[in-house]
Amino acid sequence: DTGVSQDPRHKITKRGQNVTFRCDPISEHNRLYWYRQTLGQGPEFLTYFQNEAQLEKSRLLSDRFSAERPKGSFSTLEIQRTEQGDSAMYLCASSLVWGQGGEQYFGPGTRLTVT
Amino acid sequence: SQQGEEDPQALSIQEGENATMNCSYKTSINNLQWYRQNSGRGLVHLILIRSNEREKHSGRLRVTLDTSKKSSSLLITASRAADTASYFCAEESPTNAGGTSYGKLTFGQGTILTVHP
Repeated sequence: DTGVSQDPRHKITKRGQNVTFRCDPISEHNRLYWYRQTLGQGPEFLTYFQNEAQLEKSRLLSDRFSAERPKGSFSTLEIQRTEQGDSAMYLCASSLVWGQGGEQYFGPGTRLTVT
Repeated sequence: SQQGEEDPQALSIQEGENATMNCSYKTSINNLQWYRQNSGRGLVHLILIRSNEREKHSGRLRVTLDTSKKSSSLLITASRAADTASYFCAEESPTNAGGTSYGKLTFGQGTILTVHP
């Protein structure tokens, strides 16, 4: 257990539905990252926050995806109008660094299945 | 898209043998990290090597970095069945011309290591 928690661990939804995932980072960590991982691949960067500011978004993050980190604590990732191609493991990670990055602590992930 | 390429894609060895995995990347980096992933413990950080370092050790792990060849290798010595997992390299590259990095990682596709008891 790295101290990063994600909820839910599994989500099955029908195409076209909206889903929201939550990530609770290690409490003192200022940076929070979202990645997506499909079977047989490494994680792909989606977005990250420094405190409550969303500083970068991947072009993988279409306008159907939105992420927030209110008050610089937990974060949510919402996918609207889900598509079968959204099926993947969504990973959250956090770190405590200033300047250059460093070790990231990953949560267990939320596995999304879109039917 | 992912930049890292890992070699081999799969490695099968006997307990007690050494395992070597290689990683290549395409852009300049601030540091390169190795992570392990298995179904029981998720993705776990193993070791970080900065761009100005050439070798780093942590327990049974040895990482080398050759920035001229844009490559890194991870050596696990005296492997154990518990080392069975997928291993990923991840590069952290500068975000701007000033060299600042915000921690965004670009992962390779990983090497699946199986250690037989």
